[in-house]
Amino acid sequence: DQQVKQNSPSLSVQEGRISILNCDYTNSMFDYFLWYKKYPAEGPTFLISISSIKDKNEDGRFTVFLNKSAKHLSLHIVPSQPGDSAVYFCAASSGEWGSARQLTFGSGTQLTVLP
Amino acid sequence: NAGVTQTPKFRVLKTGQSMTLLCAQDMNHEYMYWYRQDPGMGLRLIHYSVGEGTTAKGEVPDGYNVSRLKKQNFLLGLESAAPSQTSVYFCASSTRLAQFFGPGTRLTVL
Repeated sequence: DQQVKQNSPSLSVQEGRISILNCDYTNSMFDYFLWYKKYPAEGPTFLISISSIKDKNEDGRFTVFLNKSAKHLSLHIVPSQPGDSAVYFCAASSGEWGSARQLTFGSGTQLTVLP
Repeated sequence: NAGVTQTPKFRVLKTGQSMTLLCAQDMNHEYMYWYRQDPGMGLRLIHYSVGEGTTAKGEVPDGYNVSRLKKQNFLLGLESAAPSQTSVYFCASSTRLAQFFGPGTRLTVL
């Protein structure tokens, strides 16, 4: 049973437009969420995170939104750039509160930003 | 500051052979992890360690063993490789706020 789901395997957007990547989770005990970016032949790179006490967190072009009642989070990238083309994983934390110690990952979404 | 490094980058094994993957981190993190990633799937936790001399099972531990003899190193062993263990293996270490990953080892078992 997948506790963290990314239902869109792929997404294509035009350069300069907004990219919205979605993630749903089923475990109501998750309280800390992260997004990772992964280029081919490299390890995942930490992008941004959000605690369950917040509903929004921004870092430059990246914003993560959390809707606890819907058990849904999304990553917005504005404006999208060709260098953003990568696989994006969402991850949720269980166990130690507010910590990245134990993570459950989604299956990833391949984002392609078209020039 | 190299972060998390993994050795080797690629390896091909025959069924039944053994090997050890080495992970090293220079960030003085207590927590370290081994994951595998298969096509169309997220990262699945194999084993993890909360400190030197300790290890614990993750989601998919069967067929693997680990050791954490030094704080900076975390070893993943395959005693008798099987084709089902063909995968990309990632090591990570963790602060409270995020896990940081190595570049991965691509393993093929024929």
